[in-house]
Amino acid sequence: AQRVTQPEKLLSVFKGAPVELKCNYSYSGSPELFWYVQYSRQRLQLLLRHISRESIKGFTADLNKGETSFHLKKPFAQEEDSAMYYCALVPAGANNLFFGTGTRLTVIP
Amino acid sequence: GAGVSQSPRYKVTKRGQDVALRCDPISGHVSLYWYRQALGQGPEFLTYFNYEAQQDKSGLPNDRFSAERPEGSISTLTIQRTEQRDSAMYRCASRLGSSLSTDTQYFGPGTRLTVL
Repeated sequence: AQRVTQPEKLLSVFKGAPVELKCNYSYSGSPELFWYVQYSRQRLQLLLRHISRESIKGFTADLNKGETSFHLKKPFAQEEDSAMYYCALVPAGANNLFFGTGTRLTVIP
Repeated sequence: GAGVSQSPRYKVTKRGQDVALRCDPISGHVSLYWYRQALGQGPEFLTYFNYEAQQDKSGLPNDRFSAERPEGSISTLTIQRTEQRDSAMYRCASRLGSSLSTDTQYFGPGTRLTVL
């Protein structure tokens, strides 16, 4: 069975500081990993997916199969990054998302 | 359209009542998903459709939960004989194509269900 773990429920950083939101997964195959974000009073939305190897709003995430991790990173946090972040996994051949419990990021001015 | 819409946005019901939650996906989107999110948890998959066909209902917790999408557009999630443990945010999402790898899933605003 697959599982996504986000060990930090809350994370606070100062504006301009680096930020890393941790995501670990357990799955025996090759999953697809995603980060979703929910800003205050907005809908849950896709931030990035590992298959695209993209940088969105300055965020990047690298899939580390050895450590089964997909941590989300940004070198300089901005106040507008304050939000709830969810890591999610799609098992190979499946078509539904399994979400972690989320991390609430607060960027302190 | 303006995106995925859900109604009602808030629903308060008494234990034992049936509720029907509606999802109106983005026009033309093939896939439609239902998730449930309890307080402090991430969204939990319930079921999904491609067009009108229910592809996977493995996440429905028991037979009190059912979903339909009869014309391949609007979907209804029905909970019969509601219980307090059914209280949660129910989220709907739709996607243009059938692949999560290449297509983005768009979420609605959710329906907050409270069972008294």
